[in-house]
Amino acid sequence: AQKVTQTQTSISVMEKTTVTMDCVYETRDSSYFLFWYKQTASGEIVFLIRQDSYKKENATEGHYSLNFQKPKSSIGLIITATQIEDSAVYFCAMRVSPLNTGANTGKLTFGHGTILRVHP
Amino acid sequence: GALVYQYPRRTICKSGTSMRMECQAVGFQATSVAWYRQSPQKTFELIALSTVNSAIKYEQNFTQEKFPISHPNLSFSSMTVLNAYLEDRGLYLCGARVRDRGNTGQLYFGEGSKLTVL
Repeated sequence: AQKVTQTQTSISVMEKTTVTMDCVYETRDSSYFLFWYKQTASGEIVFLIRQDSYKKENATEGHYSLNFQKPKSSIGLIITATQIEDSAVYFCAMRVSPLNTGANTGKLTFGHGTILRVHP
Repeated sequence: GALVYQYPRRTICKSGTSMRMECQAVGFQATSVAWYRQSPQKTFELIALSTVNSAIKYEQNFTQEKFPISHPNLSFSSMTVLNAYLEDRGLYLCGARVRDRGNTGQLYFGEGSKLTVL
């Protein structure tokens, strides 16, 4: 079974600084995909960035980047130049690729989330 | 870009009544739709995965009898919570999967339908 753990319950930072949110995962599968989403105050869940397990390069997307440490099963999210609008709950998620037929289960396993508060 | 609309955004219903929610993919074809429930404690539970022209796959603890899903085409899905009780409260999220070459299973979510049961 897959498991995703976010140990940080909440983080507070000043705007324009850099923040890192931790996430570790557990899976026996050799091929998997890792995602970060954020949930705004309205409840909307917004996709931020993805890391494919077979890629060695850390993914980047705007002011989001990932610190993928495969041997440690870790996928940290880095937000640079934080803005007040970045305040939200951030979720790490994982999906594995079944090895048999390549059939796609589509199931994402989520962490419990990290609350980010960005202060002026 | 990929947009997913869910409605209603909020519903308050009496215990034992039912609530139907809809999910509309705009600007893309959703090869499959995953229905999740987020508890008040923010944890996610997958209810079912629905793929057009395929059987809907329900997760353990969720049944078709309680959460019937309709998925008639690549842009629309609906789910009903039948006989809702207090334990059914939460934010119901529709995640639509875009067909992509990498078969990543990436989901785009709507804003959710919040269910409050009195």
